[in-house]
Amino acid sequence: DAGITQSPRHKVTETGTPVTLRCHQTENHRYMYWYRQDPGHGLRLIHYSYGVKDTDKGEVSDGYSVSRSKTEDFLLTLESATSSQTSVYFCAISGTGVGNTIYFGEGSWLTVV
Amino acid sequence: GEDVEQSLFLSVREGDSSVINCTYTDSSSTYLYWYKQEPGAGLQLLTYIFSNMDMKQDQRLTVLLNKKDKHLSLRIADTQTGDSAIYFCAESANAGGTSYGKLTFGQGTILTVHP
Repeated sequence: DAGITQSPRHKVTETGTPVTLRCHQTENHRYMYWYRQDPGHGLRLIHYSYGVKDTDKGEVSDGYSVSRSKTEDFLLTLESATSSQTSVYFCAISGTGVGNTIYFGEGSWLTVV
Repeated sequence: GEDVEQSLFLSVREGDSSVINCTYTDSSSTYLYWYKQEPGAGLQLLTYIFSNMDMKQDQRLTVLLNKKDKHLSLRIADTQTGDSAIYFCAESANAGGTSYGKLTFGQGTILTVHP
């Protein structure tokens, strides 16, 4: 298994509260990504990072922010959680190769009530 | 924008072959992937194919790519109950820069294997 750890794995939070999900990698890969998975939509890209302090928006970035202060950590923050952000969040990493170097974490289940 | 479509369900009998189909719209797609997801788990990369190939075989898995029709298929030979899972097709455009993990996914195909 690729060295990707997501935390927390499960969280229930109330509408309007801030939430931070953490992705930690031990592979020293340059690229890190946050996706969300919802029924009928597959996985959709939220934000990604191509280096320390270098981040950019994906397809569904509204309501989310990210930070990457170290190569190994990529944080996803919901500043004020809404029920529409109830989802499963996956972190992914990739090196400078292609294809078989794209690995996913085990997911973080977030419920906003 | 890019779009990737898959049929939602497939049911097969154990020992038969399974064929999961995927269509995509982005003609600049460079790499196409198949991922497997078991309940409560993350995504496991099964195989991938470069757009300049039309077939790739890896043990029980065969990937066929028809670039003209933008159609990708995954064939699983001798399907087992352990193959029951959701299978995602994904595509990535461009060969360099920050595009390696910027994947566009299909909705996923739920494969059910009956004994």
